[in-house]
Amino acid sequence: DIQMTQSPSTLSASVGDRVTITCRASQSISSWLAWYQQKPGKAPKLLIYKASSLESGVPSRFSGRGSGTEFTLTISSLQPDDFATYYCQQYNSHLKTFGQGTKVESK
Amino acid sequence: EVQLVESGGGLVQPGGSLRLSCAASGFTFSSYWMSWVRQAPGKGLEWVANVKEDGSEKYYVDSVKGRFTISRDNAKNSLYLQMNSLRVEDTAVYYCARDHGNGMGVWGQGTTATVSS
Repeated sequence: DIQMTQSPSTLSASVGDRVTITCRASQSISSWLAWYQQKPGKAPKLLIYKASSLESGVPSRFSGRGSGTEFTLTISSLQPDDFATYYCQQYNSHLKTFGQGTKVESK
Repeated sequence: EVQLVESGGGLVQPGGSLRLSCAASGFTFSSYWMSWVRQAPGKGLEWVANVKEDGSEKYYVDSVKGRFTISRDNAKNSLYLQMNSLRVEDTAVYYCARDHGNGMGVWGQGTTATVSS
């Protein structure tokens, strides 16, 4: 099975900061990677698919890059609504796996 | 409006069973793979199982193989997860999600399964 590892686990940042989260796959997944945002008590929300494609309605301050085994999610200017937990997910295989999550908290 | 609504969660003793349901509306249910994803209290997301549009292919995470069964009824626009031989570690919020081949773009609100004696 493909393992996904995110870093850091927790990130402390301020409004306006540029924030980058990394996700690494245990084997190549081409560009079959999605990013989700989850707030407490809510279902996850799809932000990015195919590593770099922005889901409809998602603000352009979110961007994704990468291919193969290393990927990043960047928030160009952190907004108050962006404090949340972020997950990557691979879908190269039918057995889909998530990273362990990165919590973005207020510094 | 595209919507997924889960039901069927509850409290069950270890070794017991639960059947979760997910009612879909607002889209052509039979055109999409569907998944179950769970989240244990205070933990991250874990993909559990998925099923092809026509139900002919099903995949499971290793920890539930042989105990959980995913199924669907396209005539009723419904997805199911039959959970048998439940363990304390199966305690979680269970979400159903629509898989459009590029991530899971639609999620339900979740239903909670608690396994405890």
